[in-house]
Amino acid sequence: QMQLVQSGAEMRKPGASVKISCKASGYSFTDYFMHWMRQAPGQEFEWMGWSNPLSGGAEYSRKFQGRVTLTTDTSITTAYMELTSLTYDDTAIYYCAASRGGGRSLSGFDPWGQGSLVAVSS
Amino acid sequence: DIQMTQSPSSLSASVGDRVTISCRASQKITTYLNWYQQTPGKAPRLLIYGASTLQSGVPSRFSGSGSGTDFTLTISSLQPEDSATYFCQQSYINPRTFGQGTKLEVK
Repeated sequence: QMQLVQSGAEMRKPGASVKISCKASGYSFTDYFMHWMRQAPGQEFEWMGWSNPLSGGAEYSRKFQGRVTLTTDTSITTAYMELTSLTYDDTAIYYCAASRGGGRSLSGFDPWGQGSLVAVSS
Repeated sequence: DIQMTQSPSSLSASVGDRVTISCRASQKITTYLNWYQQTPGKAPRLLIYGASTLQSGVPSRFSGSGSGTDFTLTISSLQPEDSATYFCQQSYINPRTFGQGTKLEVK
């Protein structure tokens, strides 16, 4: 079955960068967009953007534009999310999730990775 | 950005009850609306997509309805394992946005 397995928890200092991986299995990696979300403690989910393994393209939320880079490596069916210039407000659980569409789409996010905690602390 | 507002923010119901959760979009999104279930420490699970289509493997007691700006998730006969937080999410336009969640307790 379709499965996404993310890398483990990370702790970073303010100003640092973090890169999270998301390993896909059980489906054709290039048939689905990979979206990234985060959920800070007690907050709503925030959508960060998507990467397209087929084209290599990506789209980013305006909020994260310039700080986030979404990439994929089709040879190892893995997607990556790198976030730079971290602040305390970036402390959250980060999720990858697959979807048939990147723009307007009747497809939801399924499956999701298990989440990766990023803690920003001095 | 499209704002998604859920109500109620929490509710408590008994096994066998019929439960409804509402989600309102700040602008029309036709049927580009998805529902998710999340239990503590777990990733969200897709329940409904396209406002009313049941995801494969999801029990038939879950159903979704609505179009435009107003949507509803219904659980027809509540089970103990339905204790969770439920989120709506629009896929009409980027950035994709989520409701704040409805925490459901099964008594």
